[in-house]
Amino acid sequence: DAGVIQSPRHEVTEMGQEVTLRCKPISGHNSLFWYRQTMMRGLELLIYFNNNVPIDDSGMPEDRFSAKMPNASFSTLKIQPSEPRDSAVYFCASSEVTYEQYFGPGTRLTVT
Amino acid sequence: GNSVTQMEGPVTLSEEAFLTINCTYTATGYPSLFWYVQYPGEGLQLLLKATKADDKGSNKGFEATYRKETTSFHLEKGSVQVSDSAVYFCALKGNYGQNFVFGPGTRLSVLP
Repeated sequence: DAGVIQSPRHEVTEMGQEVTLRCKPISGHNSLFWYRQTMMRGLELLIYFNNNVPIDDSGMPEDRFSAKMPNASFSTLKIQPSEPRDSAVYFCASSEVTYEQYFGPGTRLTVT
Repeated sequence: GNSVTQMEGPVTLSEEAFLTINCTYTATGYPSLFWYVQYPGEGLQLLLKATKADDKGSNKGFEATYRKETTSFHLEKGSVQVSDSAVYFCALKGNYGQNFVFGPGTRLSVLP
C-alpha cells in the first residue's frame, strides 16, 4: 500500500500567486481530510469529504481557499491569491468511515 | 462539542526514563481514542488506539488505557529512547459522523 500521496512536498511562491496542492488518498478509503499545521495554531481541520462530497468546510479560513474532490482517488486544495500568512504545512488524510485516519507526508508551503 | 486536552509541553527526559503524557477528553456517547506521533518533517502516524472502555492500546512499548470513569487516555512508556523524540497527539473520534478531534500535541525530547 502506497499510503496517502501528496504533491508537491515543498512549494515556494510569491504573494498573490495561485497555489494548488494535490492529494491521492489510500485506495478504498471513502473519507478525505485537509489539515493545516502551524506553530501558532497547531493542527487545524480545514475541510473533509465523504464519498467525494464536502461535508464540513467550516475550517476553511476564507474565500481564498477552495477544495475539490472530483473522484475517489484525487483531491485538490487551492489558494488564490496566496498570502504570507498562508505559510504552513498542509496535510491530507484519508480513512474508511469508521476507522482511524492515515496522513500523508504533507506539503510545506512558503509564501514570500 | 467533543474536545481533547493534553498536558503542555515540551517534555524533556533522559534516555531510559519513564514517560507519561496526560490526555483527557470530553465527548458524548462512546468515542474511540487514539494516540498519533509526528516525527520531525513527517506526517502524523497512528501509534495506538482503543475503541471501548478499559481497552488498552499498545505499540512500540507505548501503552494507553481507555478510562471512562476519569475520561482519560494517558500515554505511557517504561523506558524512552532518543528515537522517541517527536510530537504526540491525543485524538478522539465520536460515534456520530466523522467527528475526529485532535489535541494540541505534546513535544517530547529525549536526551542521551
